[in-house]
Amino acid sequence: EAGVVQSPRYKIIEKKQPVAFWCNPISGHNTLYWYLQNLGQGPELLIRYENEEAVDDSQLPKDRFSAERLKGVDSTLKIQPAELGDSAVYLCASSPGTSGFTDTQYFGPGTRLTVL
Amino acid sequence: SQQGEEDPQALSIQEGENATMNCSYKTSINNLQWYRQNSGRGLVHLILIRSNEREKHSGRLRVTLDTSKKSSSLLITASRAADTASYFCATDDRSDMRFGAGTRLTVKP
Repeated sequence: EAGVVQSPRYKIIEKKQPVAFWCNPISGHNTLYWYLQNLGQGPELLIRYENEEAVDDSQLPKDRFSAERLKGVDSTLKIQPAELGDSAVYLCASSPGTSGFTDTQYFGPGTRLTVL
Repeated sequence: SQQGEEDPQALSIQEGENATMNCSYKTSINNLQWYRQNSGRGLVHLILIRSNEREKHSGRLRVTLDTSKKSSSLLITASRAADTASYFCATDDRSDMRFGAGTRLTVKP
């Protein structure tokens, strides 16, 4: 069974440019998560979807970040415009049910963003 | 922001020895989980312990939880070089999930 797929794996952009990350969760998984991980730190939850609904987006900087999960499958995370401090690894994860955080989360390999 | 705090930040042991990592947190939790991250396999879930549980085992892993002290420990017995990775604890309160900064474990062959 394929795991969580993310693309691109690496992205280098100049500040003020837009950028988008794509995530394809494990087939049949209802819950999808986006995390941000800075170097030497643990992941920080940005947004959680149960099917198409964003049930927790309190940590998403809404002035420049947006996310969508159309049809409750794939998801896209966008930053516009990007700032130097956005350089980090963006992780996507999925879990099978909608039992909050009790379900095991399966993580993708991440997208490493570098903003110059 | 981080909720959990792992201790030590880094740990180096010989193959075959046991490794113990600790996690402290600040607010009431629903579950506590441990994850492993290395460059080869990304972030992988190891074990979940609920707030009403005190101890859990999975293979060479043993996790304890003391909610009165707001702390947890992860014990890896008979360590192997392949256990070299960063280990994170993560807590949730049903509405949010927060990871600590991790313990970097090195197991020397």
